Amino acid sequence: DTGVSQDPRHKITKRGQNVTFRCDPISEHNRLYWYRQTLGQGPEFLTYFQNEAQLEKSRLLSDRFSAERPKGSFSTLEIQRTEQGDSAMYLCASSSVITGTGAGNTIYFGEGSWLTVV
Amino acid sequence: AQSVAQPEDQVNVAEGNPLTVKCTYSVSGNPYLFWYVQYPNRGLQFLLKYITGDNLVKGSYGFEAEFNKSQTSFHLKKPSALVSDSALYFCAVRDEYTGGFKTIFGAGTRLFVKA
Repeated sequence: DTGVSQDPRHKITKRGQNVTFRCDPISEHNRLYWYRQTLGQGPEFLTYFQNEAQLEKSRLLSDRFSAERPKGSFSTLEIQRTEQGDSAMYLCASSSVITGTGAGNTIYFGEGSWLTVV
Repeated sequence: AQSVAQPEDQVNVAEGNPLTVKCTYSVSGNPYLFWYVQYPNRGLQFLLKYITGDNLVKGSYGFEAEFNKSQTSFHLKKPSALVSDSALYFCAVRDEYTGGFKTIFGAGTRLFVKA
């Protein structure tokens, strides 16, 4: 399967602990995105990378959140000192800037990583 | 700033009947518009997109959407609904000039297709 891969799919953690999610994009895609989705809501943009450069960050991405894409391939999203309000599904997506018009390229999502903070 | 609205939280339709899921948008420049579908505990699956050209866009699973610039709408349609179409549908927009590559999603519309 050559789709976007996310790991772990589910994570239950105690408040105050740190968690890290990993995303492997579609292999030829150089853009990578993180979104957060809570129940009954649409995905909310968190951040995006072009290759290894983090080009945009949402105000939703507090100081406790950090995302990296060190080699321009996989990405990690770390949440430090988790809070109950962090409980959500974290979605990774990727797109290619090579084909079609740049802004019109489709983003493809992974299956998401569910976080429950207890 | 770009935004997208899905005015209906839920749409109910009988199997075999046509369905419409509504979406309106607001952007400064030209819009790039997308529809995605989400099944329980899964990620979002791409259905179709409008970039330019023909206002009627055809996508996966028999879905289509009509871009209407004057009404700033991009409604999702299907001529004959299936029970398996029951899912959560998201409209999304990206602004050609001011939105960078950030795609903004609506709150979603839940579609129930009754047998």
